[in-house]
Amino acid sequence: ETGVTQTPRHLVMGMTNKKSLKCEQHLGHNAMYWYKQSAKKPLELMFVYNFKEQTENNSVPSRFSPECPNSSHLFLHLHTLQPEDSALYLCASSQVGTGTTEAFFGQGTRLTVV
Amino acid sequence: DAKTTQPTSMDCAEGRAANLPCNHSTISGNEYVYWYRQIHSQGPQYIIHGLKNNETNEMASLIITEDRKSSTLILPHATLRDTAVYYCIVRPHPYAGGTSYGKLTFGQGTILTVHP
Repeated sequence: ETGVTQTPRHLVMGMTNKKSLKCEQHLGHNAMYWYKQSAKKPLELMFVYNFKEQTENNSVPSRFSPECPNSSHLFLHLHTLQPEDSALYLCASSQVGTGTTEAFFGQGTRLTVV
Repeated sequence: DAKTTQPTSMDCAEGRAANLPCNHSTISGNEYVYWYRQIHSQGPQYIIHGLKNNETNEMASLIITEDRKSSTLILPHATLRDTAVYYCIVRPHPYAGGTSYGKLTFGQGTILTVHP
């Protein structure tokens, strides 16, 4: 248990579906992140949120839509995905500015697009 | 962030020390060396970090060369549960502000296999 919880752990969706991934952190951190890990590839940073504000979008297609309603919750809304979007999606949180510096990751959501 | 180079894979016998090298010859003065590991299909786990002094915690030791161009992560008594991909990451301290914050740039890492 890392203090970062992701749901669901596994998700299968069709290309026309709309689904959302949820991430919740219980660590009091002020920054949250979405990463994508495709098969045989390194983790890729997708989005960065700091104090609920999006501070980075690494050229992610608009079919991925993040939402950060508060500093403890992060969502990734998915719509009209492609089979190549199948991957492990990881959420992380960290404290920036003061206190602990390392990032804590959730267990990830294994997404399969059919 | 500075680029790192790690061996693709390494083997280690259970109970022996695992020494994982990392080259970061272009590291700059304000960049730290971080190590994370990822056990199969789980999220990465922080191990240790350092600037220039050697560091030790309950999981591992980090040895950084005097010129800071390379480092070694040491797992003193490897167990089967240490089998994982180990990532060496170089980045500015999050206190540096700007857009780096706490983001991490992962490479391919080293696949460490601990065998009985």
